[in-house]
Amino acid sequence: SQTIHQWPATLVQPVGSPLSLECTVEGTSNPNLYWYRQAAGRGLQLLFYSVGIGQISSEVPQNLSASRPQDRQFILSSKKLLLSDSGFYLCAWMNRDEQYFGPGTRLTVT
Amino acid sequence: QQPVQSPQAVILREGEDAVINCSSSKALYSVHWYRQKHGEAPVFLMILLKGGEQKGHEKISASFNEKKQQSSLYLTASQLSYSGTYFCGTEGAGGTSYGKLTFGQGTILTVHP
Repeated sequence: SQTIHQWPATLVQPVGSPLSLECTVEGTSNPNLYWYRQAAGRGLQLLFYSVGIGQISSEVPQNLSASRPQDRQFILSSKKLLLSDSGFYLCAWMNRDEQYFGPGTRLTVT
Repeated sequence: QQPVQSPQAVILREGEDAVINCSSSKALYSVHWYRQKHGEAPVFLMILLKGGEQKGHEKISASFNEKKQQSSLYLTASQLSYSGTYFCGTEGAGGTSYGKLTFGQGTILTVHP
């Protein structure tokens, strides 16, 4: 069966520091992968999606970037965090038409 | 554009029924429904594809009216475990959207004993 992992689970970072969040999927090959952000008490916003290694599409211009160095690995990065980057970051993968979320990383920028 | 969910919140007693609606202003290929508990990731409930197919399992079912670009989630004989925030995510029709979902603002469902 397929499993999606994210780490770290929680993160507290100062403004201006770099960020790297990792997502890996097991039990499938060449999945579509997605990064979403959920601000406190809000809905989910799609940030990036990827249909294959090295293929990244950005949905929202912002302070973040994404990379897919391996088939089942998706990384979200920032060079300098802003206060507005705080939120719950969720990685998702697609199985046929169904989309499943990982456990998420809760980021607090102080 | 973000789909609109209604109601924003609903409070039930165990055993009561609820309907949550999701309405989009654009043509849709699919509607996805999720439930999120506080502090956790959203959990996939079901997907409805273009074609007006109605789905369901146990006491949770959903319908999709593609002509009206609307979907409804039906929860019958609610249980305490149904409490949480329900989100619909929509995927636009016409071409390859690669599974890009646009989510509604959520409906908070609270079930009391």
